[in-house]
Amino acid sequence: AQKITQTQPGMFVQEKEAVTLDCTYDTSDPSYGLFWYKQPSSGEMIFLIYQGSYDQQNATEGRYSLNFQKARKSANLVISASQLGDSAMYFCAMRDDLKLTFGTGTRLTIIP
Amino acid sequence: DVKVTQSSRYLVKRTGEKVFLECVQDMDHENMFWYRQDPGLGLRLIYFSYDVKMKEKGDIPEGYSVSREKKERFSLILESASTNQTSMYLCASSLAFAGAAGNTEAFFGQGTRLTVV
Repeated sequence: AQKITQTQPGMFVQEKEAVTLDCTYDTSDPSYGLFWYKQPSSGEMIFLIYQGSYDQQNATEGRYSLNFQKARKSANLVISASQLGDSAMYFCAMRDDLKLTFGTGTRLTIIP
Repeated sequence: DVKVTQSSRYLVKRTGEKVFLECVQDMDHENMFWYRQDPGLGLRLIYFSYDVKMKEKGDIPEGYSVSREKKERFSLILESASTNQTSMYLCASSLAFAGAAGNTEAFFGQGTRLTVV
């Protein structure tokens, strides 16, 4: 069965600092995809970044990068130079078959 | 512009009522999902569908059923609403899973906040 674990319920980070949000996953399938979504207080789900299990390089999208450590089954999200608008819930998710499974999320608060 | 639309933003129903939550997507996606979101529990998968008339149970299907008669529409049904089904319900759609080779990101609706009294 798929399993996604996010161990940080909440984080506080000073503006302009980098932040790492942790995500570990469990699957026996060699072919899978990993996703990060942002959910601001408005409630919409915003796709941030994707990493395929066969990708050799870590995915990057602007200030977002995914630190993919396959042997450790971890897919941490790194946000560089955090901004006040980064305050939100962040969810890690995985697909290894038809299902798309999410973690419990991390609430990130950026402090001015 | 891709779009997933849920029929209601807010809904209040009485215990024992039959409740229909509707979701429509305009992207010709094969896969559709229903989640419920509760504080501290993240998004939990209720049901998903990988094709018309096809459905699979997710992690918490008890008390729910679904219907997908047309590709663009996926309905979640609460046969007899109970107070423990008070929650935010999120619908999503995506292209068919293509293994690790392709980004099959899910697109979400705006959510339906259901209160059962």
